[in-house]
Amino acid sequence: AQSVAQPEDQVNVAEGNPLTVKCTYSVSGNPYLFWYVQYPNRGLQFLLKYITGDNLVKGSYGFEAEFNKSQTSFHLKKPSALVSDSALYFCAVRHLIKAAGNKLTFGGGTRVLVKP
Amino acid sequence: KAGVTQTPRYLIKTRGQQVTLSCSPISGHRSVSWYQQTPGQGLQFLFEYFSETQRNKGNFPGRFSGRQFSNSRSEMNVSTLELGDSALYLCASSLDGIVEETQYFGPGTRLLVL
Repeated sequence: AQSVAQPEDQVNVAEGNPLTVKCTYSVSGNPYLFWYVQYPNRGLQFLLKYITGDNLVKGSYGFEAEFNKSQTSFHLKKPSALVSDSALYFCAVRHLIKAAGNKLTFGGGTRVLVKP
Repeated sequence: KAGVTQTPRYLIKTRGQQVTLSCSPISGHRSVSWYQQTPGQGLQFLFEYFSETQRNKGNFPGRFSGRQFSNSRSEMNVSTLELGDSALYLCASSLDGIVEETQYFGPGTRLLVL
């Protein structure tokens, strides 16, 4: 079965410091990995995805993620966090569940709090 | 392009009632998926529609149903509401629903069942 784990419920970081949000996955076949962010009372906003190619993926708002096949990880990173980055972050894997059609399986989410 | 829109944004219902939620995908997108978000269960897949056909369904009871229209707009219906159906219901669309595509989410409909 496909699964995604986000081991940290919350990450606290000071503004200007590097931010890392961890994600590990378990899938059969090629993983299609996504990061989304959710602000209060809002839907999910797409940040970036890994389909194939370079292991370092660059996305919106200065975020990037590193795909590591041997460690089955897809950690989200930002070199210098902003207070406005405080939000709920979700890692997800998209996979085929039959010949046609697919779905996203999400991790439990990590709340990021960036303090001034 | 306008994003995914969902109506209504907020709903309050009582147990036993039924509810219909609506989702308009990004123009040109033909795949629409629905997800339920609750504090206890997180984000869970409900179903996916493509070209008016349900392609996949998650592990939800038959009280949860949906449909898609020829213009790709989608509705989901929950009958005989239970307290546990209180959640944020999110709709997402993508162009052709292939696995590599990004799904873009709407703002959600927050349903409260009393």
